[in-house]
Amino acid sequence: DTGVSQDPRHKITKRGQNVTFRCDPISEHNRLYWYRQTLGQGPEFLTYFQNEAQLEKSRLLSDRFSAERPKGSFSTLEIQRTEQGDSAMYLCASSFDGTYTEAFFGQGTRLTVV
Amino acid sequence: DAKTTQPPSMDCAEGRAANLPCNHSTISGNEYVYWYRQIHSQGPQYIIHGLKNNETNEMASLIITEDRKSSTLILPHATLRDTAVYYCIVGRSSNTGKLIFGQGTTLQVKP
Repeated sequence: DTGVSQDPRHKITKRGQNVTFRCDPISEHNRLYWYRQTLGQGPEFLTYFQNEAQLEKSRLLSDRFSAERPKGSFSTLEIQRTEQGDSAMYLCASSFDGTYTEAFFGQGTRLTVV
Repeated sequence: DAKTTQPPSMDCAEGRAANLPCNHSTISGNEYVYWYRQIHSQGPQYIIHGLKNNETNEMASLIITEDRKSSTLILPHATLRDTAVYYCIVGRSSNTGKLIFGQGTTLQVKP
């Protein structure tokens, strides 16, 4: 078990370009979460999946953002027409669907929009 | 979910106990207290959680007051590697990955 894996670790893009990030959760985890973290702030919840179903989206997730988890395994987060305000760390986490099970976080993808 | 209040920063001497307080006065009966930490440039890491009893694991101890309105995370022998931002989070056990992070406490362990 290698933990939650995110790719790429760093991404620099020009404003207006589209970017896509990938998250590979721990293999037996059926829940997957996306968070965004800006400098000096705690992570902010964006959305989560149970298996392939996207069950909740934060109002932070504007219509330029879309997340998928097509086969209930890995997930992608796409940002269209990036803006400088999208610059942040994007974190993925996974967990079991159980009474209490901790969430495991990946190392994150650092996005810089120039 | 209930909100939490933590001091923005604390210092601790290496080898001494670090006691990190958290207020959660609006916690409801079915909400747990979770602690995570985030070392610079890494994702958050789970430390411990509790409902109303004190809890201990290999990383830390969690002391919850009887009225559950506050708690303290104790790192018994802090090391330099414990320097991190510590987050106290309150939430329901039914969705343990949906966490509402505040700004946390930056713990600086000094030699």
